[in-house]
Amino acid sequence: QVQLQESGPGLVKPSETLSLTCSVSGGSISSYYWSWIRQPPGRGLEWIGYIYDNGETSYNPSLKSRVTISVDTSKKQVSLKLRSVTAADTAVYYCAGRSSDWYWYFDLWGRGTLVTVSS
Amino acid sequence: QSVLTQPPSVSAAPGQKVTISCSGSSSNVGNNYVSWYQQLPGTAPKLLMYENNKRPSGIPDRFSGSKSGTSATLGITGLQTGDEADYYCGTWDSSLRAVVFGGGTKLTVL
Repeated sequence: QVQLQESGPGLVKPSETLSLTCSVSGGSISSYYWSWIRQPPGRGLEWIGYIYDNGETSYNPSLKSRVTISVDTSKKQVSLKLRSVTAADTAVYYCAGRSSDWYWYFDLWGRGTLVTVSS
Repeated sequence: QSVLTQPPSVSAAPGQKVTISCSGSSSNVGNNYVSWYQQLPGTAPKLLMYENNKRPSGIPDRFSGSKSGTSATLGITGLQTGDEADYYCGTWDSSLRAVVFGGGTKLTVL
């Protein structure tokens, strides 16, 4: 079965760029729409954006100016870059997959990785 | 402030039934399918319900989903202590052009 593993620095300084990678194993990267979703400590879920294997992307308007999501199909990796971070970006970041061609629900989740923004 | 509104908490005794509501608007719940996620303490969310009322493989039929107008409901019968978790609803918002979630509901099985 398909499994996801997020990786990247656990600590990022304010004003710098948060960079995370999601590695896909056990299946094809081309079968899913890949999203990043974050969850600040003790709070709810926030969708960051998605990418499809053809490069099609869409971002949450609230983060669009600072976010880039990319995919490397040869490495089976999905990447997130979030620029100019502040303490408000401290959260657990999840990689999630949607297998449906039409409807928005996430049937595949990584375990998440905590990123703390602090000097 | 979440786009979708859920009660912060619900509780019930083992074996009883509980419902969790998810209220939105015509741009999200009213015109798009709703999904539900269960997040056990310290773990990632897990898909519980999709397309309003469909259960993924492995989800017991104690869990049910429904939608009416701009509100959706998750029902859980035969409550077990293992059902204690945070539950989130989610859907696409056609105006925001973004996936939106509810603020989450903490279920306590007394």
